[in-house]
Amino acid sequence: NAGVTQTPKFQVLKTGQSMTLQCAQDMNHEYMSWYRQDPGMGLRLIHYSVGAGITDQGEVPNGYNVSRSTTEDFPLRLLSAAPSQTSVYFCASSKDGPYEQYFGPGTRLTVT
Amino acid sequence: GENVEQHPSTLSVQEGDSAVIKCTYSDSASNYFPWYKQELGKRPQLIIDIRSNVGEKKDQRIAVTLNKTAKHFSLHITETQPEDSAVYFCAASSNTGNQFYFGTGTSLTVIP
Repeated sequence: NAGVTQTPKFQVLKTGQSMTLQCAQDMNHEYMSWYRQDPGMGLRLIHYSVGAGITDQGEVPNGYNVSRSTTEDFPLRLLSAAPSQTSVYFCASSKDGPYEQYFGPGTRLTVT
Repeated sequence: GENVEQHPSTLSVQEGDSAVIKCTYSDSASNYFPWYKQELGKRPQLIIDIRSNVGEKKDQRIAVTLNKTAKHFSLHITETQPEDSAVYFCAASSNTGNQFYFGTGTSLTVIP
């Protein structure tokens, strides 16, 4: 199993550009989530999904969209990038609910 | 939402000594409390977790204790080794159980 994979590993965007961060898992996990990690602030939940077709907002959802058309994939879309979205983004998955989550390797995003 | 506070933010111990990291939470309905370890440049990894119906859980040199009345839980690492050096994050589940909130992290350095 590849576990949780994320692409790209690094990305630089200009203010106003849009992009999609990809996340996939091959463990047949129902629960998937996106976090951002900023220095001194820990990990903050952006959006999560409890199964295909179901998504919900987390702690810091503004400026981000998600969809969950399949069990395996959970892409995160930045609609119009802002410097405040410079961060490291982690995708995670777990079998049932947010318990025992496995994290992907992360995407380091810089918005100039 | 839930508020999780973590202390200390940095901790240095001599190899072989014990390390203790403490977290408090605000929502009395929280019932799941994981601890994650994150090495520099790597993804967070679950090291131990505890549910609200248990007061203590041990896994080799790592233990977690939970005091639901006082709404705090702690990570204990005994016989510390240099490879224990990392940032440790606590988290607490939301009242719905569908998401959890992370503390701001503790940077542990084990001095050989």
